Amino acid sequence: DGGITQSPKYLFRKEGQNVTLSCEQNLNHDAMYWYRQDPGQGLRLIYYSQIVNDFQKGDIAEGYSVSREKKESFPLTVTSAQKNPTAFYLCASSIGQPGANVLTFGAGSRLTVL
Amino acid sequence: EDKVVQSPLSLVVHEGDTVTLNCSYEVTNFRSLLWYKQEKKAPTFLFMLTSSGIEKKSGRLSSILDKKELFSILNITATQTGDSAIYLCAVGFQGAQKLVFGQGTRLTINP
Repeated sequence: DGGITQSPKYLFRKEGQNVTLSCEQNLNHDAMYWYRQDPGQGLRLIYYSQIVNDFQKGDIAEGYSVSREKKESFPLTVTSAQKNPTAFYLCASSIGQPGANVLTFGAGSRLTVL
Repeated sequence: EDKVVQSPLSLVVHEGDTVTLNCSYEVTNFRSLLWYKQEKKAPTFLFMLTSSGIEKKSGRLSSILDKKELFSILNITATQTGDSAIYLCAVGFQGAQKLVFGQGTRLTINP
C-alpha cells in the first residue's frame, strides 16, 4: 500500500541533543513537507521541498534542518538551537500542484524534551 | 501576514445533532481551501474548494466556500460518535506549494 512512514512514533531527548525524524513516502510524490502541531495552534509549516536537492523554509524554520537527497525521503533534524522542541511533528507529501495541493500525511512523531 | 482562523475552537454536542464549523481567511493570492479530519494522528482529506457557492458533499458532510466574504463552512448532519475529531481548515496559494492551516476545531460527540 502506498503511504507515508514516519519514525520513530515517540522520541525522548535531553536538552542540548540533536535528533532526526525520518519520513519516507512511496507515493511517487514530488513535494514533501514538515509541519509542527502544538495544542491550540493547528499546524505550522517548518520546511518544504518541491523537488530533490531543493527545499524552502516555512514559517518556523529556526532550529530545524532538512535534506532531500532522494525523492522518497525528507528527514527533519531538530537541533539544540530549537528553543521549545516538544511537539507533534507531521510529515506530508503531494504531487506538487501549486495552489490546489492535497497533502497526504504520515502518522506523526511525538518528540518530548526532558 | 496570511491568516486562517477557525471557530469555534472546541464544540461538544450530542449524537444526532447538526454542527457547523467555520473557517475564515485573510491571505494574498488565494487559490483553494481544504478541510481535513484528524482523529488520532494523521489528518485525512475531506474536501477541496476553489469556487464560491458550489457545495461539496460526502455523505453527512458538506462544505461551501464564499470568496467574497472570505470564509468556508463545514456542516455535519446527524452526527455520530465517530465524527469526534479535530477538523482542520487550510488555504492554498496561487503558484505556491504550501498550505497554511487554521488552529483546528476539536469536535466531541457524546452518545
